[in-house]
Amino acid sequence: QKEVEQNSGPLSVPEGAIASLNCTYSDRGSQSFFWYRQYSGKSPELIMSIYSNGDKEDGRFTAQLNKASQYVSLLIRDSQPSDSATYLCAVNAPNSGYALNFGKGTSLLVTP
Amino acid sequence: GAGVSQSPSNKVTEKGKDVELRCDPISGHTALYWYRQRLGQGLEFLIYFQGNSAPDKSGLPSDRFSAERTGESVSTLTIQRTQQEDSAVYLCASGWRQALFFNSPLHFGNGTRLTVT
Repeated sequence: QKEVEQNSGPLSVPEGAIASLNCTYSDRGSQSFFWYRQYSGKSPELIMSIYSNGDKEDGRFTAQLNKASQYVSLLIRDSQPSDSATYLCAVNAPNSGYALNFGKGTSLLVTP
Repeated sequence: GAGVSQSPSNKVTEKGKDVELRCDPISGHTALYWYRQRLGQGLEFLIYFQGNSAPDKSGLPSDRFSAERTGESVSTLTIQRTQQEDSAVYLCASGWRQALFFNSPLHFGNGTRLTVT
C-alpha cells in the first residue's frame, strides 16, 4: 500500500468553480499534513498546513482533515487559470521516522 | 538568505563521473531534506538531517549516494559513478526543528536538474 495516495488527474474545472483535491494516507500515527503547489518545471511551494481534524481556511483555499478516515483534502474556491498546476499532498510518517512523504500529485487544469 | 539556495541549477555529466550538489538552507532552519524527482514523477525522499543528530539515510537508493551536512549549515549530496537513471531534479528543503509527531512546513529550493549522458 502506498503511503500517500492521490488521484493523478487531470482534474479539469471551469474558471470560478470549486476544485476539490483529495489525498489518503496509510500511517495512522500521522499528525502533520501539507498541501504544496508545483508549477511545471518549478519547485513545490507551500499552500497550507493542517494538524487538527476539521477545516482550515486561508483565502480561497480550505484544507480539510479527517484522521479517522485517514483523508485530507484541499478545496480551491473561485478557481483561476493561474491555479493550474500539480498539487502535492505531504504527510509525516512517525512510525517510519522524520521523513515527510509526498503523494505523486494531482494535476489541476482551470479552463477560462 | 531569503530562501533555500541550490547549486548548480543545471548539471550535465557523463555516465561514470561523480557529481556534487549543494544546498544552502534558510538561516535558522535546523531540518534539511533531500528529495529526488524524476520527470513526471513524485518526490522521492532521500535523506534527512536535523542539527547534530544522526541523519536518516533510509531513502538513499544505493551506496553511490551520500550526503553531508556540517551542523545547521550547508549540505552536499554526492553521487558517485553516475548512471543514466540518476537523471532527475534533486530538491533540497529546509524547515524548523522537526518533532517525531509534528513536522513544521518545508521550504524548497529551486532544485538541481541533473542529466547523465
